[in-house]
Amino acid sequence: EPEVTQTPSHQVTQMGQEVILRCVPISNHLYFYWYRQILGQKVEFLVSFYNNEISEKSEIFDDQFSVERPDGSNFTLKIRSTKLEDSAMYFCASTRHEPGQGDYSNQPQHFGDGTRLSIL
Amino acid sequence: SQQGEEDPQALSIQEGENATMNCSYKTSINNLQWYRQNSGRGLVHLILIRSNEREKHSGRLRVTLDTSKKSSSLLITASRAADTASYFCATVDNYGQNFVFGPGTRLSVLP
Repeated sequence: EPEVTQTPSHQVTQMGQEVILRCVPISNHLYFYWYRQILGQKVEFLVSFYNNEISEKSEIFDDQFSVERPDGSNFTLKIRSTKLEDSAMYFCASTRHEPGQGDYSNQPQHFGDGTRLSIL
Repeated sequence: SQQGEEDPQALSIQEGENATMNCSYKTSINNLQWYRQNSGRGLVHLILIRSNEREKHSGRLRVTLDTSKKSSSLLITASRAADTASYFCATVDNYGQNFVFGPGTRLSVLP
């Protein structure tokens, strides 16, 4: 079964440095998402992406964050100047969109195993 | 507003027993989904129930939805040690596009 893959599995970065988290969504999926999960807490929505642009973003997704789909397969999350509180698991997810079904929220999301980001 | 608050926060049962987890939400929803997360792994979709459905089954899973009470329950029957995980409900938020997850129920099934 196709999977969402994320790299690296663990990233350790000095505070203030830039970090790029990478995701390869399932190949025929069109909607992509990033979530964050601080240790022991709930999964928080960051951003959704469709047709090469941001669809929605949360309050967490401020100017230090950006997303990009640089080629036909990768979907990246960049954090420009990391802070200690950015330490968390970051999950990528993708959704299959079936033509004619306008409400893509009725689709299950497929998650990668996450990148553990540790800011020192 | 917050959506998808599960209870209990933690549940410990013996293998073979049934496990019931509840989820409450605050606004109108299109559907509600349950996900499972093994320690250190991503979330895995278990089951989706639409707002016009009241009950749904998938193997040992049974989900109910009561839109009048804005609540859902997930029942795992004949639990196994391998069911040990965190379980999250997710609802579509007010904008109708993105998922909001609850804090989860941490289930421990003891052999």
